[in-house]
Amino acid sequence: EIVLTQSPATLSLSPGERATFSCRASQSVSSFLAWYQRKPGQAPRLLIYDVSNRATGIPARFSGSGSGTDFTLTISSLEPEDFAVYYCQQRSSWPLTFGGGTKVEIK
Amino acid sequence: EVQLVESGGGLLQPGGSLRLSCAASGFTLSDYSMNWVRQAPGKGLEWVSYISSSGGATHYADSVKGRFTISRDNAKKSLYLQMNSLRAEDTAVYYCARDWQQVDYYFDYWGQGTLVTVSA
Repeated sequence: EIVLTQSPATLSLSPGERATFSCRASQSVSSFLAWYQRKPGQAPRLLIYDVSNRATGIPARFSGSGSGTDFTLTISSLEPEDFAVYYCQQRSSWPLTFGGGTKVEIK
Repeated sequence: EVQLVESGGGLLQPGGSLRLSCAASGFTLSDYSMNWVRQAPGKGLEWVSYISSSGGATHYADSVKGRFTISRDNAKKSLYLQMNSLRAEDTAVYYCARDWQQVDYYFDYWGQGTLVTVSA
């Protein structure tokens, strides 16, 4: 099983700041990694797929990068609606796995 | 509008069994692979199981393999998860999630979840 480790667990930032957080895989997932956003009471929303591709309707301030075992999600300038929990997920091999999540909270 | 509505959750004792259902509407279920994902209290998301559009292929998380069975009835527009030999660590909200047609094994729509509590 591929273990995804996200860091930090919590990120405290202000609106307008840049957010960068990490997802590290226990073995290579090639480019088969996605990012989801989860707000309280809502279903997860697919943001980025296959490392760097934005899903339909996702603003350009969200970007993904990386390859192999190390991946990064960047929000260039935080908007109030971006404060949420972010999860990475790999589809490289079964079982599919998620990271533990990074909570982006208002400072 | 795509809708996924889970049902069947509840409180039960360790060792018990439960069958979850997910009713799909707003799309043709037979065109999509489907998944179950769960979230334990205070924890992150955990993928549980996958079933292909025809039901011919299934996959499971190691933590549930041999105890849980995923199935579907496309004519009834429903997805199921039969859970046996339940343990305290299976306590979670269970979500059905649709596999994204554009890229397999990512999820584009989720239900609101059904709570399963396993406790003596």
